[in-house]
Amino acid sequence: DTAVSQTPKYLVTQMGNDKSIKCEQNLGHDTMYWYKQDSKKFLKIMFSYNNKELIINETVPNRFSPKSPDKAHLNLHINSLELGDSAVYFCASSQVDQRDTGELFFGEGSRLTVL
Amino acid sequence: GQNIDQPTEMTATEGAIVQINCTYQTSGFNGLFWYQQHAGEAPTFLSYNVLDGLEEKGRFSSFLSRSKGYSYLLLKELQMKDSASYLCAVVDSNYQLIWGAGTKLIIKP
Repeated sequence: DTAVSQTPKYLVTQMGNDKSIKCEQNLGHDTMYWYKQDSKKFLKIMFSYNNKELIINETVPNRFSPKSPDKAHLNLHINSLELGDSAVYFCASSQVDQRDTGELFFGEGSRLTVL
Repeated sequence: GQNIDQPTEMTATEGAIVQINCTYQTSGFNGLFWYQQHAGEAPTFLSYNVLDGLEEKGRFSSFLSRSKGYSYLLLKELQMKDSASYLCAVVDSNYQLIWGAGTKLIIKP
């Protein structure tokens, strides 16, 4: 029944490693997002995908790469992890059209700790 | 630049009323959201305003004035479970969400 699910919920890893976070939504939404929430609790958009096409690509390092095999999935792959990557990463989805963005539905978050 | 301002932290008493303000300066406006986020959890939708005025939903109400670039979230009959962060987010002319840093609300007995 979970609308937006992401795994893993917790991830602890060493600097320099590569890791992935998976996200799936069963709401039939057209758009999915990845957000980063740092220790100051500020939500920052990283990527969004609309029908498998990247429509927002904020100024994030190219070590971060979103991958969307279909419109229900948007995975986040991170190469060469750095200490500053430690944060909570939220996946979200919405139904977007030209009149409004629609309500965002968030996953539970994935807390990444880089040691 | 685009900017969303809201107080960092507020404290209120159980059973009372609290108003959380949000002011914004964005390139265009296509609506404003309020989300609630409990510690360690995901944000959840509270309200959406696109026209001026007050939208009431149970104990929570949200107000918008587009000419003033201003919104507030009003919480009545406060309960301990209302202790959370409240995030204001504005939809700009490109239909992108611009987020405030959130207001941490502490409820005391």
